[in-house]
Amino acid sequence: QSALTQPASVSGSLGQSITISCTGTSSDVGAYKYVSWYQLHPGKAPKLLIYDVSNRPSGVSDRFSGSKSANTASLTISGLQAEDEADYHCSSYTSSATLVFGGGTKLTVL
Amino acid sequence: EVQLVESGGGEVRPGGSLRLSCAASGFIFDNYAMSWVRQVPGQGLEWVSGLNWNGGSTTYADSVKGRFIISRDNAKNSLYLQMNSLRAEDTALYYCARGGPWAPLYHDYWGQGTLVTVSS
Repeated sequence: QSALTQPASVSGSLGQSITISCTGTSSDVGAYKYVSWYQLHPGKAPKLLIYDVSNRPSGVSDRFSGSKSANTASLTISGLQAEDEADYHCSSYTSSATLVFGGGTKLTVL
Repeated sequence: EVQLVESGGGEVRPGGSLRLSCAASGFIFDNYAMSWVRQVPGQGLEWVSGLNWNGGSTTYADSVKGRFIISRDNAKNSLYLQMNSLRAEDTALYYCARGGPWAPLYHDYWGQGTLVTVSS
């Protein structure tokens, strides 16, 4: 199972919005609504931001939103804040009944 | 408060074995699927294995299939990963993660991880 494709890095200024893409295939992202997004800060456990493409767990800021079109899922962060600087990883359920992650995207807040 | 605490990591030679454990607390353990996810420092996350609430359904990444065995003991609120025939490429930080109620389709709580180093 090949990893989902994410840009290695993205950047944005404080207060702006950015979007991170996550491209898979018709056997994973395109086939199911089970895409999730995670935020990783160095030395801390991953944090779930989005599940089932666009649902936010309780306690996650509404500045984080998710969507999907065909084989590509997207995470949008609006009103960028300094603490949003982190690595972001997507994940999808697959037709093999496994999970696959993306390679991760490093977000720099300027 | 949900807590997941991994243990059992360490340094092992290629071909060796290790058993990871994850102690869960703060939630009804047998209501949730669970997974092991690993991360090579500086690289992306890799899902390793998952199982449903009673361990009756298990799945594995191709990279570990036939070498690793996931299991759980609901009476002890514990998750395990038996790792055999270890290779250098298995070196990573291994996380225990709580999945959804039916299957490990997403993971809402994670432990801090336990480091496995496979080296001669």
